[in-house]
Amino acid sequence: LAKTTQPISMDSYEGQEVNITCSHNNIATNDYITWYQQFPSQGPRFIIQGYKTKVTNEVASLFIPADRKSSTLSLPRVSLSDTAVYYCLVGSSGLGAYSGAGSYQLTFGKGTKLSVIP
Amino acid sequence: DTGVSQNPRHKITKRGQNVTFRCDPISEHNRLYWYRQTLGQGPEFLTYFQNEAQLEKSRLLSDRFSAERPKGSFSTLEIQRTEQGDSAMYLCASSLTGGQSSYEQYFGPGTRLTVT
Repeated sequence: LAKTTQPISMDSYEGQEVNITCSHNNIATNDYITWYQQFPSQGPRFIIQGYKTKVTNEVASLFIPADRKSSTLSLPRVSLSDTAVYYCLVGSSGLGAYSGAGSYQLTFGKGTKLSVIP
Repeated sequence: DTGVSQNPRHKITKRGQNVTFRCDPISEHNRLYWYRQTLGQGPEFLTYFQNEAQLEKSRLLSDRFSAERPKGSFSTLEIQRTEQGDSAMYLCASSLTGGQSSYEQYFGPGTRLTVT
């Protein structure tokens, strides 16, 4: 599984666009990039996933350059409720330990703690 | 509510006692995962099931931990002879099978275990 590096924390004012960049220099050809959001005392929530170029959904956009060695999660016009930890994950199926089936464990780092300030 | 549910939400136990947690996944999801999260860290993978088969276990899952998913529906995670180091949030997640859909995992609210 490719290792990821992202800032430990970020601050932003309400209404601003926030961009969180994740480095994954050792990304493999089959790897996808996935972002999760986690609020305190809750389980993580899937935000967005992409392979290359740009992906957009109702929550965020994900920008992936051609070399795929980094990715940027963009949150438009953040509000106080966007205060959370954001995790960047990179991976693809691999061999399971027992059956040879695909391994789909998610490997989380420490994430980026985003604080939105009024 | 059709999301992933976990019970209990909180558990306080004394060192040496056994505890069991339950997870009910989203009904049409045949993959179920257990993770553990300590303060300030991201979740760490423990094990996962496809239907009733346990297909992978992390080295974090010592022999005091056992997980089951009878009939491929709900799952239980048991910790025997709890230690203070077992204090953590235990998260359950579920997903569909197949390619990248397995990376879109739906997490429950977790069970917070405190071992005194």
